[in-house]
Amino acid sequence: DSGVTQTPKHLITATGQRVTLRCSPRSGDLSVYWYQQSLDQGLQFLIQYYNGEERAKGNILERFSAQQFPDLHSELNLSSLELGDSALYFCASSPVSTGGGQETQYFGPGTRLLVL
Amino acid sequence: AQSVSQHNHHVILSEAASLELGCNYSYGGTVNLFWYVQYPGQHLQLLLKYFSGDPLVKGIKGFEAEFIKSKFSFNLRKPSVQWSDTAEYFCAVNSPNNAGNMLTFGGGTRLMVKP
Repeated sequence: DSGVTQTPKHLITATGQRVTLRCSPRSGDLSVYWYQQSLDQGLQFLIQYYNGEERAKGNILERFSAQQFPDLHSELNLSSLELGDSALYFCASSPVSTGGGQETQYFGPGTRLLVL
Repeated sequence: AQSVSQHNHHVILSEAASLELGCNYSYGGTVNLFWYVQYPGQHLQLLLKYFSGDPLVKGIKGFEAEFIKSKFSFNLRKPSVQWSDTAEYFCAVNSPNNAGNMLTFGGGTRLMVKP
């Protein structure tokens, strides 16, 4: 158990719908990261938040957005869902975000999203 | 942009065989390197990491990796695998030059160890 929790574990929805994925970081960690794991794209970085502020952005679609709340939990919002958005969405956390990269990211169990 | 290649997509070994999984990255600057493992149905766990210093890094569960700068490689090794090592292995890099700590992952290698 990494200490990072994600809910829900599984989500089945229809095209065009909107879903929210939730992540609670390890106690004391200020940085939260979101990654998408799909069969065709592999594991891809989506977005990072540090202490409530967006820190880095990857290949995140405009239909997707995220935020980090004062209690440091984060939510990833996926809207106008398409079949191709079906994937495993991982959240990770790390203590700080110095930009030096010398930090271990601890991953949660993931949310498996299926869009029908 | 940095990228990571893992050339072996699937590897099948018998117990007690030696393991070497390849990882090459493309980035000209300083990098930090990681190997993560994902056991069936579980989350990604850190096996080992390299930031600087001794290029031979030892991790958990008997794994080690060697950073060879001239070859842009960070191969993972284990002298004798066990059935419990069956998992998917991911190599990842990030750069101190990035504003954040985003990780770039390779495509993963699925290892199956036959008892």
